[in-house]
Amino acid sequence: DTGVSQNPRHKITKRGQNVTFRCDPISEHNRLYWYRQTLGQGPEFLTYFQNEAQLEKSRLLSDRFSAERPKGSFSTLEIQRTEQGDSAMYLCASSQRRGRDTEAFFGQGTRLTVV
Amino acid sequence: GENVEQHPSTLSVQEGDSAVIKCTYSDSASNYFPWYKQELGKGPQLIIDIRSNVGEKKDQRIAVTLNKTAKHFSLHITETQPEDSAVYFCAASIHSSASKIIFGSGTRLSIRP
Repeated sequence: DTGVSQNPRHKITKRGQNVTFRCDPISEHNRLYWYRQTLGQGPEFLTYFQNEAQLEKSRLLSDRFSAERPKGSFSTLEIQRTEQGDSAMYLCASSQRRGRDTEAFFGQGTRLTVV
Repeated sequence: GENVEQHPSTLSVQEGDSAVIKCTYSDSASNYFPWYKQELGKGPQLIIDIRSNVGEKKDQRIAVTLNKTAKHFSLHITETQPEDSAVYFCAASIHSSASKIIFGSGTRLSIRP
């Protein structure tokens, strides 16, 4: 499978615990995005990387959230001291700037439940 | 920043009829408008997109139209089938720069047999 891969698919954690999600983009895609989606809503932008550089962060990304893409390939999203409001689907997408084509392809997401 | 509004939030059509979903955007610099289909428990899947240098694009039963002056764009699905039932999202971004994609709030489309 050469699509965007996210792990784990599901995560249940107790409030106050730290969690980390991983995203493996499509090979050679230099752009990687993290989004959050709550029930009945569209994906909300969190942050964006071009290669290893984090170019933009949403105001939604509080100090408890951190994302990395150390070698410009896979990325991790960590949430520290989780709160019930963090419960959501976390989506990763990747794209490749090739000429005028920048279609973004999404993974299946990681569903986080904070209890 | 960009804001994308999408209507209706739910849509039910008879199998074989057409479905239309409409979106508006706020940032006149946006020039790339993808549409995504999301099925239960899955990530959004790109189904069609349109760039601001064209007014219409068609791919089999799916077509998108764009009115740059009014900042409106629409998705048209003809001859709907049960497998078209899903949540559809419109989105907008600035194609020529490193830019995030901003999504609408989604339309839940149900196809009645």
